[in-house]
Amino acid sequence: GENVEQHPSTLSVQEGDSAVIKCTYSDSASNYFPWYKQELGKRPQLIIDIRSNVGEKKDQRIAVTLNKTAKHFSLHITETQPEDSAVYFCAARGGNYGQNFVFGPGTRLSVLP
Amino acid sequence: DTGVSQDPRHKITKRGQNVTFRCDPISEHNRLYWYRQTLGQGPEFLTYFQNEAQLEKSRLLSDRFSAERPKGSFSTLEIQRTEQGDSAMYLCASSKTGTARTEQFFGPGTRLTVL
Repeated sequence: GENVEQHPSTLSVQEGDSAVIKCTYSDSASNYFPWYKQELGKRPQLIIDIRSNVGEKKDQRIAVTLNKTAKHFSLHITETQPEDSAVYFCAARGGNYGQNFVFGPGTRLSVLP
Repeated sequence: DTGVSQDPRHKITKRGQNVTFRCDPISEHNRLYWYRQTLGQGPEFLTYFQNEAQLEKSRLLSDRFSAERPKGSFSTLEIQRTEQGDSAMYLCASSKTGTARTEQFFGPGTRLTVL
């Protein structure tokens, strides 16, 4: 089955700097890769996603890149703000029916003022 | 509130007791998922329904766990003879087929503590 690894597990950046989180996946059949943000005590919320037929997607300060050959994808946050502080999870869509998500272990991002 | 809702939000039980959680998905969503999340980890897939049919179950879902979605709307997750290792946040998510987006919308979760 699918396996997703995520690095780093914790990341501290100064406000205004960029943050990059990297994930790798194992199943070449996976075709959808969402990123979720989870603030303390709250539900995971989708911030950006990418399909396997696209190499890059951007939404304001957030971008995701995908390298299908290497089976890795990355989240890029520019001009970080304190409200970006949260745990970020990458995921790959897997499973026998290709509908459930396999999540990475998460990255705790701290944006220091 | 038209988002995914879960009840109860917190449940404390003694080892060996049975517990049942409920999830109400977004009304037009035909897919419903259950995940389990432990501290410091990402959500782990448990099971998935399309309408009332349970299409996939993780090997994490032991015989003590059972999930239903009898009318294709709300779902229940029951854990029998709870163990301390069952302590976790149980998350429900829903999505809709036939759309370009495959986003799963998560509920607030039910935090289970087994004493």
